[in-house]
Amino acid sequence: SSELTQPPSVSVSPGQTATITCSRDGLGTFDVSWYQQKPGQSPVLVIYQDNRRPSGIPERFSGSNSGNTATLTISGTQALDEADYYCQAWDSTVVFGGGTKLTVL
Amino acid sequence: QVHLQESGPGLVKPSETLSLTCAVSGFSIGSGYYWAWIRQPPGKGLEWIANVHHSGSTYYNPSLKSRVTISVDTSKNQFSLNLSSVTAADTALYYCARQEGVEYIRHWGRGTLVTVSS
Repeated sequence: SSELTQPPSVSVSPGQTATITCSRDGLGTFDVSWYQQKPGQSPVLVIYQDNRRPSGIPERFSGSNSGNTATLTISGTQALDEADYYCQAWDSTVVFGGGTKLTVL
Repeated sequence: QVHLQESGPGLVKPSETLSLTCAVSGFSIGSGYYWAWIRQPPGKGLEWIANVHHSGSTYYNPSLKSRVTISVDTSKNQFSLNLSSVTAADTALYYCARQEGVEYIRHWGRGTLVTVSS
C-alpha cells in the first residue's frame, strides 16, 4: 500500500473549488509535489515544493502542506482539469500517493 | 527542451530480465540531475523504481532493489534499467524521467508498455 494516502475520487462542479488531500504522519516536514495525469498521457508536474507552480501551469492550481496533510487546490475548476492527480514526496526514496480521480460534473 | 524516449522489448517472458533504455535529447546527462524510472501497471498508480546521477550515484525503491540495476552512459546520453526475475506483476507502462535533485520530476518520457507473459 502507498505511504501517502489520497482519497480515491473527488467530484466537483465546473467553476467550483476542488480540494485533493495527501496524508502521512509528519508530511509537513517534506517537500510535496503534485502531478496531473490524463488518460493515455504522461504525468505533468503541476505543483512542486509544496506550493510552487511550474511555468505554463494555470494560476488556479495551488498547493499547501502543513502538519500531516498536503493539499492541492484547483480554483474555478474546468472540465479540462478532469484527470488523475498524484502527490509525491521524497523520503530516501520517491514515494507516490495512490492517486485521486477528479471528476468535473 | 528536454526530450526522453524509452525503448526496449514490449514482451518479456517470466523469470527473464527486463531491459529498457532511455535516450535523452536536448540536455546532456553529464551536466547533472538525477535520471529515473517510474512504472504504472495498467489501470493503477505510479511506482518509482530507481534513479541515477551522472556521477553514478543511485537510489532504489526498497521493494524492488534486489532485482533492479540502473546505469548511465554519458557518452551515448542515455540511461538504462534492468529488472530481473520478472513476473506478471511487473507488467506496466515504464516511464523514464528527469528528477530535479531528488525532490520532483519535471520531465517525463511517453512511456513504453512492457508485458510479462510466456
